[in-house]
Amino acid sequence: GENVEQHPSTLSVQEGDSAVIKCTYSDSASNYFPWYKQELGKGPQLIIDIRSNVGEKKDQRIAVTLNKTAKHFSLHITETQPEDSAVYFCAASGDTGRRALTFGSGTRLQVQP
Amino acid sequence: ETGVTQSPTHLIKTRGQQVTLRCSSQSGHNTVSWYQQALGQGPQFIFQYYREEENGRGNFPPRFSGLQFPNYSSELNVNALELDDSALYLCACSLASTDTQYFGPGTRLTVL
Repeated sequence: GENVEQHPSTLSVQEGDSAVIKCTYSDSASNYFPWYKQELGKGPQLIIDIRSNVGEKKDQRIAVTLNKTAKHFSLHITETQPEDSAVYFCAASGDTGRRALTFGSGTRLQVQP
Repeated sequence: ETGVTQSPTHLIKTRGQQVTLRCSSQSGHNTVSWYQQALGQGPQFIFQYYREEENGRGNFPPRFSGLQFPNYSSELNVNALELDDSALYLCACSLASTDTQYFGPGTRLTVL
């Protein structure tokens, strides 16, 4: 089955700096890669996603890049703000019809004011 | 807001008991997936329901079972609770034709 590894496990940045979180996946059949933000006591919130036919996608301060050959994808957050502090999860899926998500282990991002 | 609701918010059970968790979506999403999230870990896929039938299952034993109703709401049932079943249980709703899954706030289950 699919295996997703995520690094780093914790990341501390100063407000205004950029943050980068990286994930690798094992199943070359995976074709959908979402990123979720989870705040304390809440469920995961989808912040951006990318499909395998696209190499990069951007939404305001958030961008995701995908390298299918190397089987890795990354989340980039620019101009970080204290409200960006949360746990971020990458995920991958590829089962047509079922589309079960396999998650990474999470990155705790802390943005220092 | 994802429009996905779960009940109850918190639940405390003892080992060996049975529990039922509920999930509903306001936006007509016809596919429901359930995930277990242990403390400090990423969610793990339990199973998915589409058209009131199980449509794929992760590495969980048969004492984890589910239902989906005609209005697309869903239940997760866990029998013979074990201490390791203590976790946040998340449901995610989606349309069968899309990849995007929207998560509810979860139910925190504690097994003593």
